Parts: sequence; structure tokens; C-alpha cells
Amino acid sequence: SQQGEEDPQALSIQEGENATMNCSYKTSINNLQWYRQNSGRGLVHLILIRSNEREKHSGRLRVTLDTSKKSSSLLITASRAADTASYFCATAVNNDMRFGAGTRLTVKP
Amino acid sequence: GAGVSQSPSNKVTEKGKDVELRCDPISGHTALYWYRQSLGQGLEFLIYFQGNSAPDKSGLPSDRFSAERTGGSVSTLTIQRTQQEDSAVYLCASSSSSGGRYEQYFGPGTRLTVT
Repeated sequence: SQQGEEDPQALSIQEGENATMNCSYKTSINNLQWYRQNSGRGLVHLILIRSNEREKHSGRLRVTLDTSKKSSSLLITASRAADTASYFCATAVNNDMRFGAGTRLTVKP
Repeated sequence: GAGVSQSPSNKVTEKGKDVELRCDPISGHTALYWYRQSLGQGLEFLIYFQGNSAPDKSGLPSDRFSAERTGGSVSTLTIQRTQQEDSAVYLCASSSSSGGRYEQYFGPGTRLTVT
């Protein structure tokens, strides 16, 4: 299965700390994406990293991709209480995408 | 511009009844996905439509589930003879393959409760 698997399942940190979430997958992919979900409803796209890229930044987000290890990490720097949400990685082969079970991040004020 | 919309936002039905869930994707998006998410769980892939190709139905959990996409736009997910384990949030997403972007845009979901 190409489905991503995130770890940890849950992460609790203090505001201002950095949060790191990891994703592993099993098959070759075109790209890997990270999404955020608040309140159990629709997901919001955060960042996409292509299979030929190793690192990408967007604001306080930093994503790395290691295709040899079939793994990715999402780093959120200087976390805020508003970052509390579930974060999902999704692996894509063209438009065929599969999501992992997610990491539940809690940022305490 | 308009995002992905889903209706109804909430649906309560009795066990054994049929339900239809609707998804209106972003105009021009060729790919449409249905997912199911149980409380506190990840997204379970159900079905994927890409243009005029045959849909990937590999995620449908049983033959009580079916989906169609008319005219390459609106999609309907139908669940026949609903069971309590069908209770979940059903999410629809669409994406465009133009420019190789592929990121998905999600609707707000339909929360289905089977009593």
C-alpha cells in the first residue's frame, strides 16, 4: 500500500516549542503532501513536496523528504495554540492519493 | 472562487434506509475523491474519479456503497440499507492535474448518523 503512516499518533507541546511529525510510506510516489484538519471536518492543504525535492519551506513549516527511506517529516517552528489540529500526510501517484491516520497535535498556551 | 461544497452537512437516518450524499467539486477539476472518517480516525479512501476513466472503486467497503459522477462534475455517494457502522463524516475532495499540482481541495463533509 502506498498509504502514509504518521507518527507519533499524538503530540502535546508548549506554545513556542517546535513540533515534529513523521510520515512513512511503502511505494514509490510522485509527491507527498501534508494537510491539516480542524474539528473533524474538511482538510486544508499545507504543503506539497515532489519526489525530486528534499526540503521545502512555507512560513513556519518545514518539510523534508527522504525517498530512499520512504519517509517525510513536518516541522512546525515556534508553535502557537492555534496550531492545535490533526496533521495528515498523503502520498500521491499522479492523482491517486492515500492518507495516513494522522498526528493529533495539541499546543498548550 | 467557490470551493468544494457538500450536502447535506448533517444527515440522521434510521438503520436500513438508503442515503444519498452530494458533492459539487471545484469547476474544472478533473479528479474527485470520496473519503470516510470515523471519529478520531484517519481518512479511509472510498472511491476516486479521474476524468472519463473508469473510477477506482477499490476502497468501497461493501456493495451497499456506490458512487457516480455525472457529466464529469457533481458526484453522488449512495449508501443502501444503512448500518450503524456507516456513521461517520464523509468527505469529498477535488483536484486538478494541471501543472502537476495535484493538491486536493476538501469540502466541509457530511456527518452521517445512523440510528
